[in-house]
Amino acid sequence: AAGVIQSPRHLIKEKRETATLKCYPIPRHDTVYWYQQGPGQDPQFLISFYEKMQSDKGSIPDRFSAQQFSDYHSELNMSSLELGDSALYFCASSLDGRSYEQYFGPGTRLTVT
Amino acid sequence: GEDVEQSLFLSVREGDSSVINCTYTDSSSTYLYWYKQEPGAGLQLLTYIFSNMDMKQDQRLTVLLNKKDKHLSLRIADTQTGDSAIYFCAESITGGYNKLIFGAGTRLAVHP
Repeated sequence: AAGVIQSPRHLIKEKRETATLKCYPIPRHDTVYWYQQGPGQDPQFLISFYEKMQSDKGSIPDRFSAQQFSDYHSELNMSSLELGDSALYFCASSLDGRSYEQYFGPGTRLTVT
Repeated sequence: GEDVEQSLFLSVREGDSSVINCTYTDSSSTYLYWYKQEPGAGLQLLTYIFSNMDMKQDQRLTVLLNKKDKHLSLRIADTQTGDSAIYFCAESITGGYNKLIFGAGTRLAVHP
């Protein structure tokens, strides 16, 4: 079965640079969620989209923005990167805005040097 | 408020049962989940339980929910070395679009 696809899988950036992470949900899924997992930490919810509209917002820094496109893929844009942004970024998708099953992608490991 | 707590570490012998515990505080939790994360890997949904259920069994996995005490447990029967991983308890609450609130994760180590 098709799963959530994230690209790139690994990304190395320097401080103050920008990064764009992409997420392709499971086919027919219309809801996308972004989570950040720091080293040794639990995943923290950043933001979610349902039918291309932002549906919920968590602890996402103002330096980050995200959107969902007409084909339901989503991009997380991160600017003015800081060392503390180094983490594993997960995307998850689900079917309809109130689905109770979220399927996670493999994650993008961002390292800021 | 939203808070999910788990013990951080559990060590068991291969073939024994493992029980991983979790407590949550949000009384409006609708679904409670168990995710598995192997080293360097993503989050795998193991099982979930709706908050009006007491128990759910799925092959070697048994989930018990005590709503009164807001306590959730995951029992893994006949634990194998391949079960070594971090297990995250998570809750989703009514309202919003089902963002998940995770616990800190329990690292399960299985030894021969």
